[in-house]
Amino acid sequence: GQQLNQSPQSMFIQEGEDVSMNCTSSSIFNTWLWYKQDPGEGPVLLIALYKAGELTSNGRLTAQFGITRKDSFLNISASIPSDVGIYFCAGRPRANSGNTPLVFGKGTRLSVIA
Amino acid sequence: DAGVIQSPRHEVTEMGQEVTLRCKPISGHNSLFWYRQTMMRGLELLIYFNNNVPIDDSGMPEDRFSAKMPNASFSTLKIQPSEPRDSAVYFCASSLNAYNEQFFGPGTRLTVL
Repeated sequence: GQQLNQSPQSMFIQEGEDVSMNCTSSSIFNTWLWYKQDPGEGPVLLIALYKAGELTSNGRLTAQFGITRKDSFLNISASIPSDVGIYFCAGRPRANSGNTPLVFGKGTRLSVIA
Repeated sequence: DAGVIQSPRHEVTEMGQEVTLRCKPISGHNSLFWYRQTMMRGLELLIYFNNNVPIDDSGMPEDRFSAKMPNASFSTLKIQPSEPRDSAVYFCASSLNAYNEQFFGPGTRLTVL
């Protein structure tokens, strides 16, 4: 089935640093989504991207839909302790039409050192 | 809106017992998804429903797992008999349609002793 390669698997950063993570696929995706999961909670949608090249911001978060439609990245600027959690990318592959569910990456575990 | 509601939040049971997890999707959403999350395997899609009909259950690990959606506002995931390797966090998610962004519930942490 479809797979997403998300990297890095984990990150340890100092408070105030910028963070960058990405997601790649061997096939084309129509939609890219980024979720954040706080400890003990379910994933929460951060940003949704629908067009190749689209760049969208949500506060200190910025995400882009890659031009090739096979990748996406998420940047977090000036990290703070509450940014700690697991960040998931998810995408809807173009290959199957109609009711195609999302494919999820394995997540990037972010730790912020104050 | 209350969001996706799951119960119980935590479940501890003994091997061989039946476990039933419950989910109430967001009102008006037509698609419902059951996921399992473990450290080793990450987030795995078990099954999803469109308009209460199961569409893809290829992620269901084995016959011990079953899911139902008797109406638009309720779904269950049942494990019978449960085994220690079933220990995980089980998430329910819903979306307007299967190709829209999904909204997750808080999860049920299952421990099978």
